[in-house]
Amino acid sequence: QVQLVQSGAEVKRPGASVKVSCEASGYTFISNTVHWVRQAPGQRLEWMGGINAGNGDTKYSQKFQGRVTITRDTSASTAYMELSSLRSEDTAVYYCVRDIFSSWYHMDVWGKGTTVTVSS
Amino acid sequence: QSVLTQPPSVSGAPGQRVTISCTGSSSNIGADYDVHWYQQLPGAAPTLLIYLNNNRPSGVPDRFSGSKSGTSASLAITGLQAEDEADYYCQSYDSSLSGAVFGGGTKLTVL
Repeated sequence: QVQLVQSGAEVKRPGASVKVSCEASGYTFISNTVHWVRQAPGQRLEWMGGINAGNGDTKYSQKFQGRVTITRDTSASTAYMELSSLRSEDTAVYYCVRDIFSSWYHMDVWGKGTTVTVSS
Repeated sequence: QSVLTQPPSVSGAPGQRVTISCTGSSSNIGADYDVHWYQQLPGAAPTLLIYLNNNRPSGVPDRFSGSKSGTSASLAITGLQAEDEADYYCQSYDSSLSGAVFGGGTKLTVL
């Protein structure tokens, strides 16, 4: 079955960067887009961006443009999300999500999430 | 403020029917982009509930159904059960923002 396994929780200082990984299994990694969605405590889901795992094309939310970088390693079937210049408002659970296709919004299978805490 | 507007909360007694609305605009739902719905149980990651407006993934009971018309979409849940108590999110694409967008989420309480 399709699975997305994310890296463990992180605690970072303001101004630092964090890189979260998402290892995919159960499907052909390069056939689908992988998205990153975050959820601050008690808040709504927020799309950050995605990567076409086949050709490496990326699309980012305007809110995070310039601060987020999404990459992938096809040999490891793994996608990565790096967020820089962290501030307290970035404290959230970060999810990777597979796309049904190679589109920019048809999400289906979700990882369990990675908690990132930004605190001095 | 979300691009897609959902009621913050809805409630119903066991066995009843409830609907959750998702109101968008001409740059998202009204532009004929598909709508998807996710269920998020307390403390868990979201799971896909309805995809491509009105399709259920395998394993999702037929008590859940989706529809779309104009600039809005709806999720209907019939025969409410206690296990349906969760947060529900609609999601689509917005051409003005050039990206995926989510509704603000609706908390369903089963009385």
